[in-house]
Amino acid sequence: EAGVAQSPRYKIIEKRQSVAFWCNPISGHATLYWYQQILGQGPKLLIQFQNNGVVDDSQLPKDRFSAERLKGVDSTLKIQPAKLEDSAVYLCASSLAISYEQYFGPGTRLTVT
Amino acid sequence: KNEVEQSPQNLTAQEGEFITINCSYSVGISALHWLQQHPGGGIVSLFMLSSGKKKHGRLIATINIQEKHSSLHITASHPRDSAVYICAVTRYGGSQGNLIFGKGTKLSVKP
Repeated sequence: EAGVAQSPRYKIIEKRQSVAFWCNPISGHATLYWYQQILGQGPKLLIQFQNNGVVDDSQLPKDRFSAERLKGVDSTLKIQPAKLEDSAVYLCASSLAISYEQYFGPGTRLTVT
Repeated sequence: KNEVEQSPQNLTAQEGEFITINCSYSVGISALHWLQQHPGGGIVSLFMLSSGKKKHGRLIATINIQEKHSSLHITASHPRDSAVYICAVTRYGGSQGNLIFGKGTKLSVKP
């Protein structure tokens, strides 16, 4: 069974630039999560989808971050414009349904200079 | 105060030692998770438990619901066990099922 795929693995941008991350969850998984993990801290949920609907985006900085999962399968997370404090690893995870075990992708390491 | 606290933050052990990592939480939970994160790698789920004890190979996870405490034990530790171990909980009654994470325990096992 293929795992959660993410791309790119690494990205370096200058502040005020835009960046987009892509996630392809495990086939058949209805729930998809985007987490932000700042160095030395545990992951923090940014947004959670159930199929193509948003379940929780309470911690998403909506002035600069956006995410979509239009067809209920893969998802993109965008930052526009980026700030220095956005430097982090962005993790995508998926689960069969809400409250089921989550499977994580390898993450995208973003550096904003 | 964080809702999920782990100790210690950093742990160095010699190969073969018995290791314990602790996790305390302050919210009602429906499940507790132990996760492993290797440098530069993604996160792997080790255990998901809501009561008692689970064992997988050299790894053992226990939880005491009354005391809101869980431990992860590694027997006969090996350098390949070096990683960050993260405790996370699913809040009881939460419809979303999302996880609240601790900050992680960085384990280094020396040969």
